[in-house]
Amino acid sequence: EVQVLESGGGLVQPGGSLRLSCAASGFTFNSNAMSWVRQAPGKGLEWVSIISGSGGSTYYADSVKGRFTISRDNSKNTLYLQLNSLRAEDTSVYYCAKERSYALDVWGPGTTVTVSS
Amino acid sequence: QSALTQPPSASGSPGQSVTISCTGTSSDVGGYNYVSWYQQHPGKAPKLMIYEVSKRPSGVPDRFSGSKSGNTASLTVSGLQAEDEADYYCSSYAGSNNFRIFGGGTKLTVL
Repeated sequence: EVQVLESGGGLVQPGGSLRLSCAASGFTFNSNAMSWVRQAPGKGLEWVSIISGSGGSTYYADSVKGRFTISRDNSKNTLYLQLNSLRAEDTSVYYCAKERSYALDVWGPGTTVTVSS
Repeated sequence: QSALTQPPSASGSPGQSVTISCTGTSSDVGGYNYVSWYQQHPGKAPKLMIYEVSKRPSGVPDRFSGSKSGNTASLTVSGLQAEDEADYYCSSYAGSNNFRIFGGGTKLTVL
């Protein structure tokens, strides 16, 4: 079964850091680009970042550029998102998703990040 | 980059058809055939319903269809069923600078 599963969310103070992980299984991980998407409480979806299958290309939403870093370890079938300089407005459920033809065809259940003092 | 524009709500009775619009610009929806649609039930992860404007992933009922004209994409749900009640989001590729943009979402109610 093709699936992805996020972990690493939690409560962090403003200005703090957190690293999210996404474990993938059931597909050839290094052949697929992967993305992070977030959803603030009661709000819509916001694309955060994407990384190519090799890890050589990355893109970020303007709202997180310079603060978040996407990476992957293809030997471990794992995607990461390093969140630095966190702000209250970063509070969201963070989803990991597999890319397919500029769409997101496999989503995890999400991990919750709360930024609060 | 502003979000794609979707109506906040839509509704229809069981068996009827409903269409949800998604308006962007020539830099996103109008410029590429990479519009996708997602269904999200409360407390659940989104699910891909349509990709590349009008293609359905395996397992998605053919009651769901997508189209595009100019800068506006549309999702049509035919033969509405109770389980179709959910939030629907459109998304588009927006070029290498912005990559992906989502719509604000439409809450579909089955009356």
